[in-house]
Amino acid sequence: NAGVMQNPRHLVRRRGQEARLRCSPMKGHSHVYWYRQLPEEGLKFMVYLQKENIIDESGMPKERFSAEFPKEGPSILRIQQVVRGDSAAYFCASSPPNAGSNEQFFGPGTRLTVL
Amino acid sequence: GIQVEQSPPDLILQEGANSTLRCNFSDSVNNLQWFHQNPWGQLINLFYIPSGTKQNGRLSATTVATERYSLLYISSSQTTDSGVYFCAVATGNQFYFGTGTSLTVIP
Repeated sequence: NAGVMQNPRHLVRRRGQEARLRCSPMKGHSHVYWYRQLPEEGLKFMVYLQKENIIDESGMPKERFSAEFPKEGPSILRIQQVVRGDSAAYFCASSPPNAGSNEQFFGPGTRLTVL
Repeated sequence: GIQVEQSPPDLILQEGANSTLRCNFSDSVNNLQWFHQNPWGQLINLFYIPSGTKQNGRLSATTVATERYSLLYISSSQTTDSGVYFCAVATGNQFYFGTGTSLTVIP
């Protein structure tokens, strides 16, 4: 009974490169959330997606960041032209589709380092 | 957004001691969860507790939704309890995290 899977666990990019972070939700979950954690801080909401739909992207930076959750395959958080300030841990969470519980389950995170 | 305050920010305990962590939030919520972030950075779900009281082994939690606070109790602490404890609340689907309580349990 696998939990939320994220890969890669660690990602190193040089300034200007692209970073692609993947998240596979728990089996049976159709809601995916992305959060960012800067060093010594709590997590900050970025985006909430369901299959093929972005429901709430109020926490996403306006430029360079995008997210998708296609009909097939994992959710992708994409960061274009990375800068040093993008260095952080990026966590994905998923929750079940039923309205009775919106408990979120978190993956192990992807630690992005921008050189 | 909702403001979430956790106290104390830092806590050092002798192994075997008990502790209470507090989470205050500024608005009505429909979801409250406690997490433990271990030294490797992984977030472990402790409790889903928008209201009421729950217990799981040495840990228990109580949320008084009408007074907008939640408490996490750790009894007979162990060194493996070290890490950062986060409270997170939501009104819809977006979680708001507190800044955490950093717990160090010394043998």
